[in-house]
Amino acid sequence: QLQLQESGPGLVKPSETLSLTCTVSGGSISSSDYYWGWVRQPPGNDLEWIGSIYYTGSTFYNPSLKSRLNISVDTSRNQFSLRLSSVTAADTAVYYCARNVVDYGAGTFVPWGRGTLVTVSS
Amino acid sequence: DIQMTQSPSTLSASVEDRVTITCRANESITNWLAWYQQRPGKAPKLLISKASSLESGVPSRFSGSGSGTEFTLTINSLQPDDFATYYCQQYRKYATFGQGTRVEVK
Repeated sequence: QLQLQESGPGLVKPSETLSLTCTVSGGSISSSDYYWGWVRQPPGNDLEWIGSIYYTGSTFYNPSLKSRLNISVDTSRNQFSLRLSSVTAADTAVYYCARNVVDYGAGTFVPWGRGTLVTVSS
Repeated sequence: DIQMTQSPSTLSASVEDRVTITCRANESITNWLAWYQQRPGKAPKLLISKASSLESGVPSRFSGSGSGTEFTLTINSLQPDDFATYYCQQYRKYATFGQGTRVEVK
C-alpha cells in the first residue's frame, strides 16, 4: 500500500526558505505512470496546488508561486522535496504531498500524505 | 485562471438524507473535474475523477455528474461517516479547488 510522509521544520522565519521532503513507501517514485505533487491548505482556508514533479525531474508549477518555488526529486531515496523562498505569513499552511495522476492539466491527487503544519513567524 | 465556486458553503442534513453539492467553473473544463472528501484533521481523499468516475473502494452512494461549467456531487442515503467537507477540483488547466462544502449534522 502506497504511503507518503512529509517531513521538515514546523517553523520558518519570514523571508527565509521553507523546505519539506516527502518520503514515498510501498511503491517506487520512478513509476512512469505518475507525477508527485504538493498541495497546501492555510488554516481554515482552501486547498491550493503548489506544483508537481516527474521522476525524470520534469516539473510544472502553480504560476502564482513559480518565482519562489523549486521542487526536486531523489529517486535513490524515493523522495521528492519542496523549497519555497522568501516566505511570509501567507505561506503558513498544512503542506501535503500526494501521488499525482496526470491525465490532463495538473491531474488528480491520490493518495495523500498526512500533512505537516508549517508556520511562518519570527 | 479557472475559478471554482461551490454551493452551498454549509449543508445541514440527517442520516439517510440525499444531499447534492454544486460546483461551477468560470469557464468550460469539459469533464476534468474531481471531488474530494476531507474529514477534520485528515488529508483529502479522492472520491470521483473525470466528473463521474468513482474511485476504487468509494461507496456507490457517491455519484458525480455534469460537464462544461456545472457539476454536482450527490450522496444517496447519507451515512455517519459522510459528515465532512467536500471539495471540487478542476484540472482542465493546472489545478484549482473550490472553497469547500461542509456537510454537518442537522
